[in-house]
Amino acid sequence: GENVEQHPSTLSVQEGDSAVIKCTYSDSASNYFPWYKQELGKRPQLIIDIRSNVGEKKDQRIAVTLNKTAKHFSLHITETQPEDSAVYFCAAKYGNEKLTFGTGTRLTIIP
Amino acid sequence: DVKVTQSSRYLVKRTGEKVFLECVQDMDHENMFWYRQDPGLGLRLIYFSYDVKMKEKGDIPEGYSVSREKKERFSLILESASTNQTSMYLCASVGSGSNQPQHFGDGTRLSIL
Repeated sequence: GENVEQHPSTLSVQEGDSAVIKCTYSDSASNYFPWYKQELGKRPQLIIDIRSNVGEKKDQRIAVTLNKTAKHFSLHITETQPEDSAVYFCAAKYGNEKLTFGTGTRLTIIP
Repeated sequence: DVKVTQSSRYLVKRTGEKVFLECVQDMDHENMFWYRQDPGLGLRLIYFSYDVKMKEKGDIPEGYSVSREKKERFSLILESASTNQTSMYLCASVGSGSNQPQHFGDGTRLSIL
């Protein structure tokens, strides 16, 4: 099956600075990579996703990059705000709709 | 908007009890999932169903079974609950094809005493 590694496990950044979270995957057949944000006590919610035929995707302050050759993808958050504080999970799709998740990054924005 | 509803937010049971966790989705999704979420371990797949009465083991199926008698409902069963099954359980659903995101329920925090 697929194996996804996520780093760092915790990240603290000053408000207004950028945050980067990195993930690597093992199965070269994986073709879909979503990122989820989970606030305390709430469900994971999709914030951005990327398909394997695309190298980069942006949505306002959030961007994701994909390097298929190196089998890694990254989440970039610019101009961070206090409401960005949460746990972020990367995932890679394998088989029939199944996702393998990274172990999560706890992001703390320091005011 | 997709709605995935889990029957309980919090549940406390005793060791050895049979426990049922229920999940319902309203988007006619073929695929439904049960995950377990533990600190530092992320979300781990317990079982997956791709159609009514069809199921597939995930990464950690031991001690669990599932039931999918209707398309909208996917149940997770702990046959004889043990303390190491104390955890947050998340249900998710997604349609087939086109690389769509999974949608999650609010989770059930299960404590086994």
